Amino acid sequence: EIVLTQSPATLSLSPGERATLSCRASQSVSSYLAWYQQKPGQAPRLLIYDASNRATGVPARFSGSGSGTDFTLSISSLEPEDFAVYYCQQRSSWPLITFGQGTRLEIK
Amino acid sequence: EVQLVESGGGLVQPGGSLRLSCAASGFTFSSYEVNWVRQAPGKGLEWISYISSGGSTIYYADSVKGRFTISRDNAKNSLSLQMNTLRAEDTAVYYCANGYNYLHYWGQGTLVTVSS
Repeated sequence: EIVLTQSPATLSLSPGERATLSCRASQSVSSYLAWYQQKPGQAPRLLIYDASNRATGVPARFSGSGSGTDFTLSISSLEPEDFAVYYCQQRSSWPLITFGQGTRLEIK
Repeated sequence: EVQLVESGGGLVQPGGSLRLSCAASGFTFSSYEVNWVRQAPGKGLEWISYISSGGSTIYYADSVKGRFTISRDNAKNSLSLQMNTLRAEDTAVYYCANGYNYLHYWGQGTLVTVSS
């Protein structure tokens, strides 16, 4: 099973700041990685797929990068609605897709 | 607008059974693969099952294999998950989500609590 490790576990930032979230895979997943955002009491929302492609309706302040084992989700200037939990997910070992444990982005 | 609405969750005793449903609308359900993903309270996401658009290809996570059965009725735009021999560790919010290998749209989830 491919294990995804996200860091940091919690990130405390202020609105307007830049956020950088990391996801590391236990083996190469090529570019087959997605990012999801989950707010309290809500379902996850797909943000980025295939490492760097924004899903429909996702604001341009969200960007993804990386390949192989190291990936990054960046949020260029945090808006109040961006504070949430973010998960990465790999599809390299489909059908056994796996998720990272999540990074909580909280208001400082 | 794409909508996925889960139902059927509730409290069940260990060893019991429960059947979850997911009603789809706003897209051509019969053309899309669908998955079940669960999230234990305060925990992360765990994929548990996949079914192809026509229903002929099915996969399960090891944690539920042999106990859970996924099925779909394309005529009724619905997805089901029959859960048998439930354990305390199956306690979670269960989501249906469409997509082949990325999960594009999700329902709001239904809570399953396994406890005596």
